[in-house]
Amino acid sequence: GQQVMQIPQYQHVQEGEDFTTYCNSSTTLSNIQWYKQRPGGHPVFLIQLVKSGEVKKQKRLTFQFGEAKKNSSLHITATQTTDVGTYFCAGNYGGATNKLIFGTGTLLAVQP
Amino acid sequence: NAGVMQNPRHLVRRRGQEARLRCSPMKGHSHVYWYRQLPEEGLKFMVYLQKENIIDESGMPKERFSAEFPKEGPSILRIQQVVRGDSAAYFCASSPRADSYTGELFFGEGSRLTVL
Repeated sequence: GQQVMQIPQYQHVQEGEDFTTYCNSSTTLSNIQWYKQRPGGHPVFLIQLVKSGEVKKQKRLTFQFGEAKKNSSLHITATQTTDVGTYFCAGNYGGATNKLIFGTGTLLAVQP
Repeated sequence: NAGVMQNPRHLVRRRGQEARLRCSPMKGHSHVYWYRQLPEEGLKFMVYLQKENIIDESGMPKERFSAEFPKEGPSILRIQQVVRGDSAAYFCASSPRADSYTGELFFGEGSRLTVL
């Protein structure tokens, strides 16, 4: 079945260090989305990638979609304490339902 | 412009009781998704509904769980005879028409169910 895996499961960094989380799907995706969930909060949409090889930037965040549309990454430059939370990728496999299959998530802890 | 509204935010039930979780989608949205998040885990798809229709329930447990989205009123996720393993956060998300929509989902703040 459709599965989305993320690594690492947990990352602890010092403020100012960079952070990367990787997402891998077992099958080709129609598109991939990234969400952030603060502790005790709900998932909030960050971005969507649709095209093969696509790269998008949001300030210190860089998102990539692999050429084969089966993997993706999120890179944060110079982390800040406000970046704390769990980052989820979510794969859309197309079809009628538009349901998202969420990755396992990467919990980012930032030490001041 | 209210977002996705879920209630109750917190619910405590004893084993064997029923839990009813409600979700009102964003204004203009006619499609609702329910996800379950166990402690320290990711979000698992449960069910996708549009008004008066269940479109995809492939993630719903076969027993004790049901969902509906009536013509009037909120979507309801119902869990009968709850067990401790049902303790989780249940998130509702909505989207506009799904026919050609492949964009973001808008999540509510969740209903956190604790089964004693």
